[in-house]
Amino acid sequence: KNQVEQSPQSLIILEGKNCTLQCNYTVSPFSNLRWYKQDTGRGPVSLTIMTFSENTKSNGRYTATLDADTKQSSLHITASQLSDSASYICVVAWGAGSYQLTFGKGTKLSVIP
Amino acid sequence: GAGVSQSPRYKVAKRGQDVALRCDPISGHVSLFWYQQALGQGPEFLTYFQNEAQLDKSGLPSDRFFAERPEGSVSTLKIQRTQQEDSAVYLCASTRGRGSYEQYFGPGTRLTVT
Repeated sequence: KNQVEQSPQSLIILEGKNCTLQCNYTVSPFSNLRWYKQDTGRGPVSLTIMTFSENTKSNGRYTATLDADTKQSSLHITASQLSDSASYICVVAWGAGSYQLTFGKGTKLSVIP
Repeated sequence: GAGVSQSPRYKVAKRGQDVALRCDPISGHVSLFWYQQALGQGPEFLTYFQNEAQLDKSGLPSDRFFAERPEGSVSTLKIQRTQQEDSAVYLCASTRGRGSYEQYFGPGTRLTVT
């Protein structure tokens, strides 16, 4: 069964600090991996999308990495801000049409002053 | 509109009632998806439309769930005879082209069945 596991489940960090969120997946056939940010009461917003051949991709203070051999990804947040407080969801697209998505449960990040 | 909109944002239904949830995708977006997100979980796929054609409904949990997109734009997710386990946030997403390379999500409808 296709699965996406994320760790940690929740994380509290001080404003200005860096953090790294982890994602492991067992999804086949792999198409691409995305990281989404979901604020409370809102829909997910895409941060990065990486295909099989991409190892790293940045979006401002967010940097995602992908190791397709070990089926692991990470999301690194630099110089965290209070507005980074949200759930971060790892999503893997799979299948012939690349529209089937398997979502992780998310990491709930709280940035405190 | 600038993004995907959903209505109502909140819905409380008594067990056994029928509900209809609406999704207005970004104008011109070809593909539309419905997801169900239980509390503390990631979204789970329900169904996928390409224009007005429902290409995949494998995620619909029972025959009480029905979705349509008759003119290839607005979509409605209908749940008949609601049950408590239907309580969740229902998310709609749309993409410009076929497939789901860049999905834009709406804010969701939170359904509570009492």
